[in-house]
Amino acid sequence: DAGVTQSPTHLIKTRGQQVTLRCSPISGHKSVSWYQQVLGQGPQFIFQYYEKEERGRGNFPDRFSARQFPNYSSELNVNALLLGDSALYLCASSLEIAGAHEQFFGPGTRLTVL
Amino acid sequence: GQNIDQPTEMTATEGAIVQINCTYQTSGFNGLFWYQQHAGEAPTFLSYNVLDGLEEKGRFSSFLSRSKGYSYLLLKELQMKDSASYLCAVSPGNTGGFKTIFGAGTRLFVKA
Repeated sequence: DAGVTQSPTHLIKTRGQQVTLRCSPISGHKSVSWYQQVLGQGPQFIFQYYEKEERGRGNFPDRFSARQFPNYSSELNVNALLLGDSALYLCASSLEIAGAHEQFFGPGTRLTVL
Repeated sequence: GQNIDQPTEMTATEGAIVQINCTYQTSGFNGLFWYQQHAGEAPTFLSYNVLDGLEEKGRFSSFLSRSKGYSYLLLKELQMKDSASYLCAVSPGNTGGFKTIFGAGTRLFVKA
């Protein structure tokens, strides 16, 4: 079975631009969470979507938004990019809402903002 | 606030046992997870504790004390491939929002 997939793998943008990152969960998984990970730190929670509804939001500005589609895939959008948004963006899926269930992580999208 | 603390780095010898501690303070508790992350790769699930006590899974065991806000991950018979970052993560549950809070990770170096 295919694991969690993310696209693109790498992305280079300039300040002020907008970016869309995509994630496809493991088949049958209904929950998708997004994380930002900077070098040397643990993943920072951005959003969790379950059954196409936002069920959790981390401490990120409104420039960050996401959505989940009927097939449970998800997109993360970041507007007005800042240099500090450079990071690895991880998507994780779980069978049910990610409270009592392990999460399976995708390989991530490495975003560089110049 | 919500906070998870774990040591930044640890070094151990191949074949030995190492214990990685984690303390947490969160608004609500719905479970504690340990993940392993090799450099340049995504985290992979190791263990889950929701009740007090020890959960054993092969060479890996994880312990939880909810009253103390404390957990540890025990790795036995260390192998070179165990060199990685180990992430402690807590799910506060619906009282704290459906989120998972990760610690900064403990980088484990296994030497021959």
